[in-house]
Amino acid sequence: GAGVSQSPSNKVTEKGKDVELRCDPISGHTALYWYRQSLGQGLEFLIYFQGNSAPDKSGLPSDRFSAERTGGSVSTLTIQRTQQEDSAVYLCASSLLAENYNEQFFGPGTRLTVL
Amino acid sequence: QKEVEQNSGPLSVPEGAIASLNCTYSDRGSQSFFWYRQYSGKSPELIMSIYSNGDKEDGRFTAQLNKASQYVSLLIRDSQPSDSATYLCAVEHNFNKFYFGSGTKLNVKP
Repeated sequence: GAGVSQSPSNKVTEKGKDVELRCDPISGHTALYWYRQSLGQGLEFLIYFQGNSAPDKSGLPSDRFSAERTGGSVSTLTIQRTQQEDSAVYLCASSLLAENYNEQFFGPGTRLTVL
Repeated sequence: QKEVEQNSGPLSVPEGAIASLNCTYSDRGSQSFFWYRQYSGKSPELIMSIYSNGDKEDGRFTAQLNKASQYVSLLIRDSQPSDSATYLCAVEHNFNKFYFGSGTKLNVKP
């Protein structure tokens, strides 16, 4: 595809359930990033991948959050035992990971609502 | 202190005027700077990137960077109602560590 894609676009779940969010980056982009944006707020960095490795997991809010990337392409963000404060838009971005040219391009996001 | 600071606005300008959006950052070692536009309910869209001091122009948009003052700005000339959105400033530090401001909401009045 031409851009970053994410699925599902919307997810409503009950508190305590696990959810998986998927991101398909732009073909050829080696870096992939996950962010969270709560209503009316800025972007909160969660994790980024360089290839299949995650050099920086510092933004993951708790051990209920995990992410993986396989084949240097698709990534999944998993939230276990969801809480109401997890409700937000989860955004994925990808970039070429080139010095002085590391522009990130965002997917449409997944809106997560935890009831 | 936040890594990236922006005035939340709203900034209101009349159609046809110049809109000036400002951003300051705390880490002097930051090397790359970006402006994103985000319409309500949509994801951020990259509109400008700047890597060296000075001005960079692209159509109606001009990004300005002053590393000594740790300041980056975005000028939008001939503002249109379709420019009404939230503008996010992003700063890259230590290669691949990005910080985003919380955005400035711009309203362009017809």
